[in-house]
Amino acid sequence: SQTIHQWPATLVQPVGSPLSLECTVEGTSNPNLYWYRQAAGRGLQLLFYSVGIGQISSEVPQNLSASRPQDRQFILSSKKLLLSDSGFYLCASHSDSGLGKLFFGSGTQLSVL
Amino acid sequence: QKEVEQDPGPLSVPEGAIVSLNCTYSNSAFQYFMWYRQYSRKGPELLMYTYSSGNKEDGRFTAQVDKSSKYISLFIRDSQPSDSATYLCAMSDGGFQKLVFGTGTRLLVSP
Repeated sequence: SQTIHQWPATLVQPVGSPLSLECTVEGTSNPNLYWYRQAAGRGLQLLFYSVGIGQISSEVPQNLSASRPQDRQFILSSKKLLLSDSGFYLCASHSDSGLGKLFFGSGTQLSVL
Repeated sequence: QKEVEQDPGPLSVPEGAIVSLNCTYSNSAFQYFMWYRQYSRKGPELLMYTYSSGNKEDGRFTAQVDKSSKYISLFIRDSQPSDSATYLCAMSDGGFQKLVFGTGTRLLVSP
């Protein structure tokens, strides 16, 4: 089974500062990778997904960007954080079987102050 | 209308009760249905996975899909305080780039 490593667990950043969240996946190859954001009391919002190295699809136009420099590495970035970027960020990956089973990392709680 | 509707709760039950969690959806193309459990400040954990209509049982958990009514359920028997979490339903038409999630139902099981 696959393991998703996501860090840091908690992050407090001032408005206007840059952001870099990293996610790495073990136990699978060529996975589909995803970044979700979960706001308090709201559902999971898909931000980006990637089907391969260098291939990024954006679901929501915003202050964030994503990159996939390696097969099992997915990075979420921002040049200047906004207050509205606060939330719980989750990296996810598809299972090898590709039958829609999505596995999640442990998440990063981002607070922008 | 949202594609997937889920009551946010909270749903409070005593230990040992049978819990019923539900989602309704509008897209008849959905074929794959999942339930995730999410503890506070943790990533969602895949709990149940079903394809098309029918029931699937795993220990104390039963997932039920009624495609004709566009309605899915998760039953938890003999609920335990450790079951206290938010339960998210998710579904897909097979285009696995995008799962559609419900907003989650918060369950509280009291000892």
